[in-house]
Amino acid sequence: QQQVKQSPQSLIVQKGGISIINCAYENTAFDYFPWYQQFPGKGPALLIAIRPDVSEKKEGRFTISFNKSAKQFSLHIMDSQPGDSATYFCAASTGKETSGSRLTFGEGTQLTVNP
Amino acid sequence: KAGVTQTPRYLIKTRGQQVTLSCSPISGHRSVSWYQQTPGQGLQFLFEYFSETQRNKGNFPGRFSGRQFSNSRSEMNVSTLELGDSALYLCASSLGRLAGVSYEQYFGPGTRLTVT
Repeated sequence: QQQVKQSPQSLIVQKGGISIINCAYENTAFDYFPWYQQFPGKGPALLIAIRPDVSEKKEGRFTISFNKSAKQFSLHIMDSQPGDSATYFCAASTGKETSGSRLTFGEGTQLTVNP
Repeated sequence: KAGVTQTPRYLIKTRGQQVTLSCSPISGHRSVSWYQQTPGQGLQFLFEYFSETQRNKGNFPGRFSGRQFSNSRSEMNVSTLELGDSALYLCASSLGRLAGVSYEQYFGPGTRLTVT
């Protein structure tokens, strides 16, 4: 129930195209859904995050779409650039004030944007 | 604001030894979480500390332990190292979970531990 399933495992997109990464979860107690971008040799960097009270959030070229009934959320990268080539992780979090919270991560998607 | 810092960045240890990793969170953040990243298991939660108290623990053996100091800096210790402990250990800093809301977690660059 704590798992987050991410797909695809790898994705190749042409420059200017749209990259779409999908995640699905089972635990309905999850209430915070961030996306992280990780370059080789670096720690994950927070990209964008959404809470389940909204269905979409957009920041620049990055958009999260959230479907609470389907327990799915996705990341859309518009006008993909070679500099976007990285590994992307979705995550989900729940918790209580007394017991804190933890992030449960998806398996990651290796995105390659060809010039 | 300065980001999350982790020291050392790289470490090579021998099986059976112990190791201590350090993390300094973003100023004002009282929550520090630790994660292990490996190619096979991905990113896995180790534990979270908030105001010097361990609030949450992942499914790792007791060889993995941690602590947090009054200035919110945190250390993670692994005793009796095994080959399988080779991984990137990541520290994340956050305001924590307050008023029913989980706040953003910001990661440091990690410590690359190699056990030979």
